[in-house]
Amino acid sequence: DIQMTQSPSSLAASLGDTVTITCRATQYISRSLNWYQQKPGKAPSLLIHAESILESGVPSRFSGSGSGTGFTLTISSLQPEDFATYYCQQTFSIPYSFGQGTRLEIK
Amino acid sequence: QLHLTQSGAELKMPGASVKVSCSLSGNTLDQLPIHWVRQTPGQGLEWMGGFDSGPGGPMYARKFQGRVTMTEDTFENTAYMELSSLTSDDTAVYFCTIRRRWFGPSFEVRWFDPWGQGTQVTVSS
Repeated sequence: DIQMTQSPSSLAASLGDTVTITCRATQYISRSLNWYQQKPGKAPSLLIHAESILESGVPSRFSGSGSGTGFTLTISSLQPEDFATYYCQQTFSIPYSFGQGTRLEIK
Repeated sequence: QLHLTQSGAELKMPGASVKVSCSLSGNTLDQLPIHWVRQTPGQGLEWMGGFDSGPGGPMYARKFQGRVTMTEDTFENTAYMELSSLTSDDTAVYFCTIRRRWFGPSFEVRWFDPWGQGTQVTVSS
């Protein structure tokens, strides 16, 4: 099974900052990497699929990149609504697996 | 626009079973494979299983095989996930979601969107 490791597990930043979240897979997963945002009491919401394709309606301050086993989610110019928990997910092979999450908090 | 609506919270005794429903609006189930993911404080997000396009039944994560049954009622446009032999470790929020797929020039990618609102299942005596 493929394991996904996110770092950091939590992150404090200020409005206007740029932050980067990293996700690493235990084996090659091509571009089968998705990013989700989750707010308390809500379901995860898709931000990016296929490593770097932004979902319709997601602000362009979100971006994703990767290299087959290592991936990053970058959020530039943080806005109040960006403070949430972020998860990566691999869908290269079953069982699909998620990272443990990165909680982004206001400094 | 696609929308998934799940059934309400459940409180179950250890050893019992729970059946969670997920109703789809905006399209038909036979066009859109439903998958199930649960979220626990200790394990985070866990993929439980789901349907794939084409013939054949659902795929289940090895962890849940023998205890989980996923079905679809195409007449009601509703999917169901039943989990048996519940323990306190099954206390979680259960989500249904649609598995999307796109074929690139040399690869295929999949993702989950949208998601149902979640169903809290609590297992306690």
